[in-house]
Amino acid sequence: EPEVTQTPSHQVTQMGQEVILRCVPISNHLYFYWYRQILGQKVEFLVSFYNNEISEKSEIFDDQFSVERPDGSNFTLKIRSTKLEDSAMYFCASSDRDRGGGQPQHFGDGTRLSIL
Amino acid sequence: AQSVTQLDSHVSVSEGTPVLLRCNYSSSYSPSLFWYVQHPNKGLQLLLKYTSAATLVKGINGFEAEFKKSETSFHLTKPSAHMSDAAEYFCVVSLGGTGTASKLTFGTGTRLQVTL
Repeated sequence: EPEVTQTPSHQVTQMGQEVILRCVPISNHLYFYWYRQILGQKVEFLVSFYNNEISEKSEIFDDQFSVERPDGSNFTLKIRSTKLEDSAMYFCASSDRDRGGGQPQHFGDGTRLSIL
Repeated sequence: AQSVTQLDSHVSVSEGTPVLLRCNYSSSYSPSLFWYVQHPNKGLQLLLKYTSAATLVKGINGFEAEFKKSETSFHLTKPSAHMSDAAEYFCVVSLGGTGTASKLTFGTGTRLQVTL
């Protein structure tokens, strides 16, 4: 079964540094998402992406964050200047076109980001 | 606006006994509802989804959930728990919609413990 893959599995970065989290969504999917889960808290939506532009973003997704689909397969999340509070597990997800039936999103195993 | 409330943060059952994980939702429109499971250090795996076709939904690994509009509930059940079911379970709501990238809103999760 096709799956979403994320790299790296664990990233340790100094505060203030830029970090790029990488994802390869399922190949025929059209919609892409990033979520995060701070330790002990619930999974939170960050951003959705379709047709090479952001569809929706949460208030967490401020100017420090950006997403890109640089080629036909990768989907990246960049944090420009990391803060301690950015430490979390970041999940990438993708879904097929929603034909009105509510397409589920398929998740990767996540990247654990630790900011020192 | 949409939200889900998982009524129990932790549930403990004996192996072979039934499992009940409770979820109530709130949505302005007809929602799509999902249950996801997260095993330690793994990503989020879809268990089942409700998208207005049938109120009783069967998922993987013997799990099922019943959508009750009058009670705004979507409880997850399994007749007989197995040790491998021990994990964190998330009730999730989405507004869905044809041709849209719809964000998921997660509950706070229920940790299922299965004892011998």
